[in-house]
Amino acid sequence: ETGVTQSPTHLIKTRGQQVTLRCSSQSGHNTVSWYQQALGQGPQFIFQYYREEENGRGNFPPRFSGLQFPNYSSELNVNALELDDSALYLCASSLGTSTEAFFGQGTRLTVV
Amino acid sequence: GIQVEQSPPDLILQEGANSTLRCNFSDSVNNLQWFHQNPWGQLINLFYIPSGTKQNGRLSATTVATERYSLLYISSSQTTDSGVYFCAVERGNNRLAFGKGNQVVVIP
Repeated sequence: ETGVTQSPTHLIKTRGQQVTLRCSSQSGHNTVSWYQQALGQGPQFIFQYYREEENGRGNFPPRFSGLQFPNYSSELNVNALELDDSALYLCASSLGTSTEAFFGQGTRLTVV
Repeated sequence: GIQVEQSPPDLILQEGANSTLRCNFSDSVNNLQWFHQNPWGQLINLFYIPSGTKQNGRLSATTVATERYSLLYISSSQTTDSGVYFCAVERGNNRLAFGKGNQVVVIP
């Protein structure tokens, strides 16, 4: 059984650019959630995808968007990158929407 | 939204010592999880414990849902226990709300 995997592990982008982060959910899981963790803080919920539909969104602007594919893997897209978007982005998968979540190793995004 | 407070924010332990980390939350919850964040950033699942008590080796956790708190016990601490411990709760809205974490340093 494979766990949650994210790619890439590190990324450097320039302000104004766009970025796509990827997440493969744990085998058998149909729900993927994305979180942003700034330095020294706890993770903040961005949004959740359940069976390819967005199923809840946190307090993030529309330039944060996502997608879930039929195999339940997911992408997080961020447009018009700002310096404050520099953070660790974590993906979590679960079986169902309100059950134990398992996290990937994260993607560390630096915007310069 | 729900507030999650963890205490103490920072803890320094001598190897072999015991410690208790506390998580208070401001509303009833469906789920509660404890995580250990490793130096590379990954959140490692420790306990899924919306209520009751569980033990896993030197770690144990207790959640008293009616009083809105959870405790994580670390016994006979080892240097590998160092890192940040997070409590996260979910109250039926499909999202985990995290505390700010407990930074634990275990010195040999």
